[in-house]
Amino acid sequence: AQTVTQSQPEMSVQEAETVTLSCTYDTSESDYYLFWYKQPPSRQMILVIRQEAYKQQNATENRFSVNFQKAAKSFSLKISDSQLGDAAMYFCAYPPDNAGNMLTFGGGTRLMVKP
Amino acid sequence: DGGITQSPKYLFRKEGQNVTLSCEQNLNHDAMYWYRQDPGQGLRLIYYSQIVNDFQKGDIAEGYSVSREKKESFPLTVTSAQKNPTAFYLCASSIGAGSLYEQYFGPGTRLTVT
Repeated sequence: AQTVTQSQPEMSVQEAETVTLSCTYDTSESDYYLFWYKQPPSRQMILVIRQEAYKQQNATENRFSVNFQKAAKSFSLKISDSQLGDAAMYFCAYPPDNAGNMLTFGGGTRLMVKP
Repeated sequence: DGGITQSPKYLFRKEGQNVTLSCEQNLNHDAMYWYRQDPGQGLRLIYYSQIVNDFQKGDIAEGYSVSREKKESFPLTVTSAQKNPTAFYLCASSIGAGSLYEQYFGPGTRLTVT
């Protein structure tokens, strides 16, 4: 089975500092999207950022940016100027092969922000 | 406001009873999805529907059933055949089916079976 791996179950960052969450995946598709979702304590899943695989430029949304390495199948999320409200579970999601183009989610990284 | 609603937020059932979780969207999205989330884990796809009157099994469909009689509604029934039904259930929708489209999520239903 194709998988997506988030190797950091928990991460901690000091408020105002920068943190990077890692994600690796395995697909043979050439054109696809990758997503990072945030799940705060309310458990509502919220899209943080999306990357189009055919674009070389890394996606950026305010304090959130990605480091997309297509050849390495790596899709990390960088959070700059971390805020207390960033504390949440973060999931990356991608389309595995032959899965009807549905998304598969990683196991998640719990981010704690220290004041 | 457009969005996805799931009700109830918390649901309690006795073992051996079927239970139906509600999911409604007013985003005019064609595709809808049901996921299961266990403590400390990611989301696993139960069922998805690309269009009215059509649905497909996901990775963990055993013990679950769905219907899609209306575009805006995609209820999930957890049957007594589901061996470990206690979990958090999330419904989502997207404009179209497939990984190119962002999925919008509901607030979830926490099901506890004793």
